[in-house]
Amino acid sequence: KQEVTQIPAALSVPEGENLVLNCSFTDSAIYNLQWFRQDPGKGLTSLLLIQSSQREQTSGRLNASLDKSSGRSTLYIAASQPGDSATYLCAVRGGSNFGNEKLTFGTGTRLTIIP
Amino acid sequence: SAVISQKPSRDICQRGTSLTIQCQVDSQVTMMFWYRQQPGQSLTLIATANQGSEATYESGFVIDKFPISRPNLTFSTLTVSNMSPEDSSIYLCSVQGGAGDLDGYTFGSGTRLTVV
Repeated sequence: KQEVTQIPAALSVPEGENLVLNCSFTDSAIYNLQWFRQDPGKGLTSLLLIQSSQREQTSGRLNASLDKSSGRSTLYIAASQPGDSATYLCAVRGGSNFGNEKLTFGTGTRLTIIP
Repeated sequence: SAVISQKPSRDICQRGTSLTIQCQVDSQVTMMFWYRQQPGQSLTLIATANQGSEATYESGFVIDKFPISRPNLTFSTLTVSNMSPEDSSIYLCSVQGGAGDLDGYTFGSGTRLTVV
C-alpha cells in the first residue's frame, strides 16, 4: 500500500527566501506525481505534474523534482511571497495508466510566509 | 483545462439529516472521484464514480452512508446520509485531465460541511 509523507508539517519563512518542501513515497512504481496548493477551507489548485519518466518540471517561481528510485520529490519555491502562504500537498498516482487512477495524498506542509 | 463547479460551498446541518453535494464538469469525463478531508488531515478517497455503473467504494466507506449518482458524463452527486458530527469535513470532487496534461487531476472548490 502506497504511503506518502511530507516533511516538514509546517514551515514559516521570511518573505523573499527560497525554500524546499519534501515529499516521500514508499512504492516507487508510480505513474506520476502532482503538487497542489490548498488555501484554508478551499479546494485544491494544481501546481505541477511530473511524469514518472521526468526528473523535474518548472512553472514560474516553482520547480518540482522527482527521484523515483529513492521515492522522493521536492518542491522548490524561489523568492517567496506572502501570497504563497497555503498548505502544499503532493499526490502520487499508481504505476499504470489504466486501472490505477487513484491518487494517494501526502500529509501536507503548511507554509507561512512572514512579510 | 476542465472546470468543475461544486456546490454548495458550505453548509451547516443537523445530525441525522442528509446533504447532497453536486459537481458539474464543463467537459465529458469517464471517471469522477469523491474525496473527504477531515479537519487537519489530508485527502482520503471515498469512491470512484463511472457513468452507467455503480460507484466503487474504498475500504471504510459504504454506499448506504455515501450514495453516489452519475447520470451522465458531466455530472455527479455525493450524498452524506444520516449525518453525525464526525462527518464534518471538506468534501471534494475531482476529475482526471485539465492540469496542463491529460493525466493530471483537477479538483472542485470543495464543500465545507459542519454537522451540529
